[in-house]
Amino acid sequence: ETGVTQSPTHLIKTRGQQVTLRCSSQSGHNTVSWYQQALGQGPQFIFQYYREEENGRGNFPPRFSGLQFPNYSSELNVNALELDDSALYLCASSQPGAMNTEAFFGQGTRLTVV
Amino acid sequence: AQSVSQHNHHVILSEAASLELGCNYSYGGTVNLFWYVQYPGQHLQLLLKYFSGDPLVKGIKGFEAEFIKSKFSFNLRKPSVQWSDTAEYFCAVNSPGAGSYQLTFGKGTKLSVIP
Repeated sequence: ETGVTQSPTHLIKTRGQQVTLRCSSQSGHNTVSWYQQALGQGPQFIFQYYREEENGRGNFPPRFSGLQFPNYSSELNVNALELDDSALYLCASSQPGAMNTEAFFGQGTRLTVV
Repeated sequence: AQSVSQHNHHVILSEAASLELGCNYSYGGTVNLFWYVQYPGQHLQLLLKYFSGDPLVKGIKGFEAEFIKSKFSFNLRKPSVQWSDTAEYFCAVNSPGAGSYQLTFGKGTKLSVIP
């Protein structure tokens, strides 16, 4: 167990709907990153939050947005869902402001868009 | 932009065989390198990491990796695999000076170990 928890574990949504995924970071970690892992692919960086502000973004459209709360938990929101958004969404937390550190991953949320 | 290439999509080995999984990255600056493993139904777990120093890095479960800067490579090795090593393995890189902690992953190598 890494101490990073994600909810829900599985989710089915219809194309065009909106979804919110949640992540609680490991104790003491104030940096949270979100990744999308499509079937048969490696995780792709969506964005990162550090001290409640977005601090880095990958090649994802604006309909992917996020929040980080004062307790460092985080949400990933996806609007106007498309079939290609079906994937495993991973949350990772890392130590405060440290570059030479490792990321701890949660078990992910499996999103299916139909 | 960084990229990571993992040469093998699927590797099938018998127990006790030796393993080497290839990983090459494209970024020419200072990098941190990682190997993660994903067992079926489980979260990504760190096998080993390289930040600096000795380029031969030892990780958990008997895995090791060698950083060869001139070849932009970070290959994963294990002298003798077990059935329990069946999993998907991901190589990843991040740039410490990038301003954000962003990992770039390869597409992964699925390892199947036959008893």
